[in-house]
Amino acid sequence: KAGVTQTPRYLIKTRGQQVTLSCSPISGHRSVSWYQQTPGQGLQFLFEYFSETQRNKGNFPGRFSGRQFSNSRSEMNVSTLELGDSALYLCASSPQAGANNEQFFGPGTRLTVL
Amino acid sequence: LAKTTQPISMDSYEGQEVNITCSHNNIATNDYITWYQQFPSQGPRFIIQGYKTKVTNEVASLFIPADRKSSTLSLPRVSLSDTAVYYCPLSRGANNLFFGTGTRLTVIP
Repeated sequence: KAGVTQTPRYLIKTRGQQVTLSCSPISGHRSVSWYQQTPGQGLQFLFEYFSETQRNKGNFPGRFSGRQFSNSRSEMNVSTLELGDSALYLCASSPQAGANNEQFFGPGTRLTVL
Repeated sequence: LAKTTQPISMDSYEGQEVNITCSHNNIATNDYITWYQQFPSQGPRFIIQGYKTKVTNEVASLFIPADRKSSTLSLPRVSLSDTAVYYCPLSRGANNLFFGTGTRLTVIP
């Protein structure tokens, strides 16, 4: 079974632009979560989607948004990019929503904002 | 916020047992304790999960005292390939894990 895939793997943008990242979960997995990883803050939860509905959201500004499609694939969008948005963005999937499910992470998208 | 505290880094020689401790003083009743491993340029990988007492699988053991305010991941006989960052997020509510900056384990030959 194929793992979680994320596209693109690397991205360079300039301040003020917007960006869309894509995540395809493991087949059969219906929950997709997004995380931001930076050297200073570590791994931080962005949001979780299940059955096309956002179930939880972390402490990030409204510039960060996401959605999930009927096939469970998910996208996250960051508008009006800032230098501090440079990070590794990780997507994780699990079969169900709810606590205590093992999450399977993708390789991430490395975003650089210049 | 379900914050956890871990040592920033640890060194160990190959073949030794390594114990990494995580502090989670404000753990809630419905929180589970999960450990993940992350190699450079990869996403985290699940190692083990527990609620209380001891859990063991083929790669690690997890010790959780009765008050659940801390947990210890035990890696038996580490090898060079165990060099990685280890996280102990709490899973609260849905699938939103509260990670920290983790513990960087370096295994020395």
